[in-house]
Amino acid sequence: NAGVTQTPKFQVLKTGQSMTLQCAQDMNHNSMYWYRQDPGMGLRLIYYSASEGTTDKGEVPNGYNVSRLNKREFSLRLESAAPSQTSVYFCASSEKRTGLQHSNQPQHFGDGTRLSIL
Amino acid sequence: GNSVTQMEGPVTLSEEAFLTINCTYTATGYPSLFWYVQYPGEGLQLLLKATKADDKGSNKGFEATYRKETTSFHLEKGSVQVSDSAVYFCALSVYSGNTPLVFGKGTRLSVIA
Repeated sequence: NAGVTQTPKFQVLKTGQSMTLQCAQDMNHNSMYWYRQDPGMGLRLIYYSASEGTTDKGEVPNGYNVSRLNKREFSLRLESAAPSQTSVYFCASSEKRTGLQHSNQPQHFGDGTRLSIL
Repeated sequence: GNSVTQMEGPVTLSEEAFLTINCTYTATGYPSLFWYVQYPGEGLQLLLKATKADDKGSNKGFEATYRKETTSFHLEKGSVQVSDSAVYFCALSVYSGNTPLVFGKGTRLSVIA
């Protein structure tokens, strides 16, 4: 059981280049999330998708776009990478928010993508 | 708004010492509370959770009690091991609001033999 799979695991980009981070989950979860993790900042939500066909901005969406390709896959795109986007990116998934059940559902995380932008 | 504040690290303990990592929260409504653990080079894993006041979450010897009166969810373990060395995140989730899960900044724990 793979859980949440992220690719690539490591990437180095030059300023201005574009790239897409891939995420797939095999737990039949409806909700998926993208976070970035920076030293001393904890995890900050970039975008999330409560269900297939919907996406919403999180705390730090600027400079990013997302696509919920299908129920399994949720990609994050950097159109023009900047050094400030150097970070570790985590994808997560959880059960769909249905009434009060949403608040009880934990998120399952991938192992992260370490992205450096020069 | 909703927020989580946890003690800053790093925390360094000797093996078999008692561990407490403080976590307090601010939330609208009635949040669920979580502790996640991140081992080096890995993603976050759910350690334990509590969904209502006075609930105690427990797992792998770790415990945390949801205290509504003090808005706290402190993580404790009676005897830590070297293998517990990791970063620990306190988090909350509320039904309403734009952010599904709000994390604290994390506390790094190092346990030395």
